Amino acid sequence: ETGVTQSPTHLIKTRGQQVTLRCSSQSGHNTVSWYQQALGQGPQFIFQYYREEENGRGNFPPRFSGLQFPNYSSELNVNALELDDSALYLCASSLEAGRSYEQYFGPGTRLTVT
Amino acid sequence: RKEVEQDPGPFNVPEGATVAFNCTYSNSASQSFFWYRQDCRKEPKLLMSVYSSGNEDGRFTAQLNRASQYISLLIRDSKLSDSATYLCVVNGRNTPLVFGKGTRLSVIA
Repeated sequence: ETGVTQSPTHLIKTRGQQVTLRCSSQSGHNTVSWYQQALGQGPQFIFQYYREEENGRGNFPPRFSGLQFPNYSSELNVNALELDDSALYLCASSLEAGRSYEQYFGPGTRLTVT
Repeated sequence: RKEVEQDPGPFNVPEGATVAFNCTYSNSASQSFFWYRQDCRKEPKLLMSVYSSGNEDGRFTAQLNRASQYISLLIRDSKLSDSATYLCVVNGRNTPLVFGKGTRLSVIA
């Protein structure tokens, strides 16, 4: 086990609704990255938070937003849900934000948008 | 061209076989390379980092060829428990990590 936890494990939402996903990083890790994994694809980078600041963003629209708290846990918020947002959402924590640091994933939140 | 490309497989091999996966990446400035393993409907788990000199962990050997921009993973003496999707990962131009789509391996008794 990596020590990274996510909640909820599963979620069903309707198109147009908003959702908040949560992640607790591994003890001692100050960096959290969020990924979206659609069926049959590799994880796609959404954004990263380092010491409560956004530290890089992938090719996702502004309706995907996030924050990181002083204890380094993090939230991913998605507004105006679309059917294509249905995916496994993964958070990963790492010791620092540098690219050489290995990332450890939580179990993910499976979001279904109907 | 995709940043990271892998043969999606599936690779169906008998127990005890040796199997090799290759992966190519487009960003010549990449400096960090990893192999992750992902079981069905589970999160990716770090299998091993890949170093320029190559590295070995038990039955698993990873190699990096910077000139040709490819990474390989060799699994010897395959076990049923090795059945999974193997994800090639490199650090991207603008993102911490870029994942390939993965190569699916099925080890058959």
